[in-house]
Formats: sequence, structure tokens, C-alpha cells
Amino acid sequence: GEKVEQHESTLSVREGDSAVINCTYTDTASSYFPWYKQEAGKGLHFVIDIRSNVDRKQSQRLIVLLDKKAKRFSLHITATQPEDSAIYFCAAETGGYKVVFGSGTRLLVSP
Amino acid sequence: EAAVTQSPRNKVAVTGGKVTLSCNQTNNHNNMYWYRQDTGHGLRLIHYSYGAGSTEKGDIPDGYKASRPSQENFSLILELATPSQTSVYFCASGETSSYEQYFGPGTRLTVL
Repeated sequence: GEKVEQHESTLSVREGDSAVINCTYTDTASSYFPWYKQEAGKGLHFVIDIRSNVDRKQSQRLIVLLDKKAKRFSLHITATQPEDSAIYFCAAETGGYKVVFGSGTRLLVSP
Repeated sequence: EAAVTQSPRNKVAVTGGKVTLSCNQTNNHNNMYWYRQDTGHGLRLIHYSYGAGSTEKGDIPDGYKASRPSQENFSLILELATPSQTSVYFCASGETSSYEQYFGPGTRLTVL
């Protein structure tokens, strides 16, 4: 079945810098890749997604890139702010409206 | 406001005891999911449901049962709890034809 590897377990950046989180997946049939954010002590909430018919999507300061050939996708957070500090999870669809999650990246944005 | 709620938020159980974790959603979503979150593993799918009366096994169903008695409620049942089931459990809901999921706040379960 599909496996998603999230490469950075922790990431520290200075406020205003960009942060990049990288994920790879195994199943070439996967066509939908969401990203979720988890703030301390809370559940996950959806932040952005990308479908396999495009290779780039932007929503305000969030940019997702998809490289289908390399089976790799990444989340870029530009102009980071302290409130961006959280755990970010990438995921890939596995059919039947299910997804498999990566292991999470803890992002710390310091002033 | 539409929401996914979980109860209890914290639970301490004894090995061999029965534990029921409850989830309620007011999103009117057909799909519901139970995950556990462990450091280094991210979220792993235990059971899911496509509607009232239906339950399906996820990736790690062993030791867990699920029950979906209504559109709004989805329970996760540990008949014989073990220390390896100590974790944080999340419930989520999603629309019929969408992969986007809405998560509850989580239940921290400790099995002693």
C-alpha cells in the first residue's frame, strides 16, 4: 500500500524566512495530496492540498509543489510568522476517501 | 458551528479493561475515521465508516472494534486494553466525495 515519508522531523527558522517541508510517496496512482497543521494540544486542520493534474498551488503564504516523476511533494511557507509554529503533516490519498499520513514535521519559528 | 467532539478527553485504563472512546460530529458528514497518533508514526488509520451501520478496517485494526450507530456518532472500542494502546486518538469526519477531513481535539489514553 501507499507509504508517505516526511523527511524533516524538526525544522527551525527565523521569523520572515521561508520554511520547506518535503515528502515522498510510493504509489504512482495517488492523485491527491493534502497538508494538515496541528497546533499544540489540538487536532489537525487542513491547510492546503494539491491534485496530480497540477504541479504548483498557492494559497496566500503557502505553496505546494508536486513532482510526479520523483513522487515528491513539498510545502513552502513564505514570510514565516510565530503563529506558523506547529506540527505539519503531509498525506496522500489511498482510495476510498482515505489518506495515509507522513510522520509530521515540527516547525519552530523564532523571532 | 459544525464540529467534531470527542469524549473523554483524557482516560486512564487498566490492562485488560474495556475502553470506549466516543466521537460526535455535527457536520452531517457520511465518512468518519479513527486514528491513533504516536511519535515517529504520524497518524495511523484504525477504523473508518461510510455511514450509519457501516464500519471498515483501516491499517491497524487489531485490538480495536468500531461502532457507527448513527450519522453523528462513531465509537472506538478496546475490549481488552493493553499498554501498547497507550496513545492519542483522533476522530475525523469527511464529506462523501471529498478527501478533506475535519478532526476532533483528540483523546489521550493511558493504559497501565
